[in-house]
Amino acid sequence: ETGVTQSPTHLIKTRGQQVTLRCSSQSGHNTVSWYQQALGQGPQFIFQYYREEENGRGNFPPRFSGLQFPNYSSELNVNALELDDSALYLCASSLDRSDTQYFGPGTRLTVL
Amino acid sequence: DQQVKQNSPSLSVQEGRISILNCDYTNSMFDYFLWYKKYPAEGPTFLISISSIKDKNEDGRFTVFLNKSAKHLSLHIVPSQPGDSAVYFCAASSNRDDKIIFGKGTRLHILP
Repeated sequence: ETGVTQSPTHLIKTRGQQVTLRCSSQSGHNTVSWYQQALGQGPQFIFQYYREEENGRGNFPPRFSGLQFPNYSSELNVNALELDDSALYLCASSLDRSDTQYFGPGTRLTVL
Repeated sequence: DQQVKQNSPSLSVQEGRISILNCDYTNSMFDYFLWYKKYPAEGPTFLISISSIKDKNEDGRFTVFLNKSAKHLSLHIVPSQPGDSAVYFCAASSNRDDKIIFGKGTRLHILP
């Protein structure tokens, strides 16, 4: 069984640019959640997708958006990048909305 | 305002002894608690969870205790092993909801 995978591993962007991060869920999982982990902090919930619909959102501005595809893989898009967006972005998939979340290795985004 | 607090940024324990990691929470709506373990360059790995209807849950060397009146939980690892050296995140959610709130983590060092 394949675990949660994320791409790319690392990414460097400049302020004002846009970025797309990708996540492949664990086989059979229909729910994906995205988190931002800044240095020295715990992961912070960005949003969750369940069966291609947004199912909850944390305190992040609208320039953070997402998609979930019919195969339950997912994208996180961030527009108008700011320096403070530099962080590790984690996605987690679960069998269903209220089940245990299993994390991918993350994408480290650096904004210069 | 931090709803899940891990007040010890780091902890060192001798191999073979007991490791006790503590966590406090402020939101009385939380009813499901989890511990995740994170190695460098990897995503958090689910370790153990506890529902608010219980006060103890055990899985091998790992036991989580929940004190609802004190809004406190702890993770006990007995005996501690070198592979337990990692960052441990305490996390909580309400109604096993979409959003999981994480603490900042405690770095555990197991000393030989």
